[in-house]
Amino acid sequence: AQKVTQAQTEISVVEKEDVTLDCVYETRDTTYYLFWYKQPPSGELVFLIRRNSFDEQNEISGRYSWNFQKSTSSFNFTITASQVVDSAVYFCALSIQGAQKLVFGQGTRLTINP
Amino acid sequence: DTEVTQTPKHLVMGMTNKKSLKCEQHMGHRAMYWYKQKAKKPPELMFVYSYEKLSINESVPSRFSPECPNSSLLNLHLHALQPEDSALYLCASSPSRGSISDTQYFGPGTRLTVL
Repeated sequence: AQKVTQAQTEISVVEKEDVTLDCVYETRDTTYYLFWYKQPPSGELVFLIRRNSFDEQNEISGRYSWNFQKSTSSFNFTITASQVVDSAVYFCALSIQGAQKLVFGQGTRLTINP
Repeated sequence: DTEVTQTPKHLVMGMTNKKSLKCEQHMGHRAMYWYKQKAKKPPELMFVYSYEKLSINESVPSRFSPECPNSSLLNLHLHALQPEDSALYLCASSPSRGSISDTQYFGPGTRLTVL
């Protein structure tokens, strides 16, 4: 069975702190893709990153970085020097071969306080 | 341009009403999706259209009826809904036929309230 676990339901930090959102996935497939989406209060899911199972290189995009470790089945997301605009619900998701659907985690609600 | 548009933004309807949600994309994407999202929960897949044909129906009640008139448009027809159907309805599209590597791009959603 495929499953994505985001154990942190809510995180609250003060602006400019670094924060890491955890994502652990389960799948028996060797080929799969992992995604992160951001959902601000307006409701739209905004695509952040896609990573395939054969590429374990970490990625950095501005203040955002992602750490993919197959050994621990984790795909964690770090925001450096957080800002109030980063406040949102963040979803990690898994896509597997043969399926046309995403398996979402339960989401982590991140609040950045000024 | 990765824009998916949805109308209306908000909809309030009675249980006997018939209404429709509309989704549009002009990115040339060939797969389109409807999701339902309840508060504090992740999106739940309802339907997938690939090349304008229904490819996945996640056992959704018949009071929800999808329609894909062309490759750019996706509708969701609503009839005889229940209060528990109140939710955020999200539309998404992806470039190919919804393959494993496809990235889904979401619209802003329609907040539906059923009285």
